[in-house]
Parts: sequence; structure tokens; C-alpha cells
Amino acid sequence: EVQLVESGGGLVQPGGSLRLSCAASGFTFSRYDMHWVRQATGKGLEWVSTVGAAGDTYYPGSVKGRFTVSRENAKNSLYLQMNSLRAGDTAVYYCAREGYGSARTVGMDVWGQGTTVTVSS
Amino acid sequence: QLVLTQSPSASASLGASVKLTCTLSSGHNTYAIAWHQQQPEKGPRYLMKVNSDGSHIKGDGIPDRFSGSSSGAERYLTISSLQSEDEADYYCQTWGTGVWVFGGGTKLTVL
Repeated sequence: EVQLVESGGGLVQPGGSLRLSCAASGFTFSRYDMHWVRQATGKGLEWVSTVGAAGDTYYPGSVKGRFTVSRENAKNSLYLQMNSLRAGDTAVYYCAREGYGSARTVGMDVWGQGTTVTVSS
Repeated sequence: QLVLTQSPSASASLGASVKLTCTLSSGHNTYAIAWHQQQPEKGPRYLMKVNSDGSHIKGDGIPDRFSGSSSGAERYLTISSLQSEDEADYYCQTWGTGVWVFGGGTKLTVL
């Protein structure tokens, strides 16, 4: 069964740091681009970061310079290091796999259940 | 700038059909999109990819009641024979060079 399981969420003070993990199983992790997506309570989905199969990384302006995405293929794991956290970073964080069909991307085709990050004093 | 626009809400009766719309920003009408469903208190679930020519590729286990289509800059998700469990938020998503974008989501109410 293809599965993604996030962990590492919790309560952190403004300005603090937190590292999220995502454990992948049921597919060849190293071959896939992977994403982090977040959702604040009552709000929509927001793309947070992407790491390609080749290790290339991408971020939106809202987190660039504060968040770092990485992967460890030997452990089938995806990570998100979050520094200088703000109240606005409070959200459920999901990891997602970039799917492929006929060698073309089909969008984020597998999602985890999410881990909650709360930034508050 | 790559932007997706969705109506905030939609409603339809049990057993009826509904068509949700996702509109691509100007200059991006050849882009494919993906549709995702998020039931209350759950994580998102991938439904399908919809290409600019209207063809679509569904995810594993997605019922035949769900289909996709396109017209110009609009991408559609049609759900037929609505069931109570279809009451959910529906998000469209697309991608460009080094950027991934979500629409604001449509909350579907099944009456």
C-alpha cells in the first residue's frame, strides 16, 4: 500500500524551529518529486516546498529563507526544517507525492494525514 | 502570474449532478490541472488530472461518477449521482516551472 506518514508537529514559540518528517512506503521513493503543503484552520491548501528526485528544491516567497526541504532516499524519508517560525505558519502540514502517468506529471497523487504545527507564545 | 479561481460554494441535491469550475489565469489556458477532494476533518485525496483538451486521468479507486472536462481556460469536475459522502471541499491545483498553485477551493453541499 502506498502511504505517507507525517510526524514532528507540535507547539513552538514564535521565532523557534521545528523539523517535520514524512515516512514513505509502498513505492520507490527516490524516483518521485515530493511536496509539503499546509492548511491553516478553516483555510485552503497552500504549497510550501518541493524537492525533486534529483534534489532540486523550490519554495514560495512566504517561506523562502526560513524553511528547508530535504530528503533521505536511503530512509524513504522527506523532511521540512522550519526556522524563524511565525504565528502565520500555524497549520496542518501535509506531505504529498508528485504522481506520473505516461511520463507526464499528474499532480499530487498521494497525500499523508498531516501533522499539526502551532506557533504561539 | 499563475492563479486558479474557484467559486467558494456550490450545492446540489442527493442523486443529482454538479459541475465545479476552476479557471486558469490569463495566458495559462493550456495548463493541465489536478482535482483534489477533502472531506470534513480528513486530509486531501487526489481525484484526477484534467488536460486542456478535456481528457482526464483518474486516481486509483475514483468512482466513475467523477469526471473531468475542459473549455478554454476553464477546467471542470463533474460529479453525477451525488451521494452524501461527496459533501466536501474540492481544490484544483496546477504547476509551472518551480511553482505549484492551488485554487481557493469550493465547498460542495449535498442537499
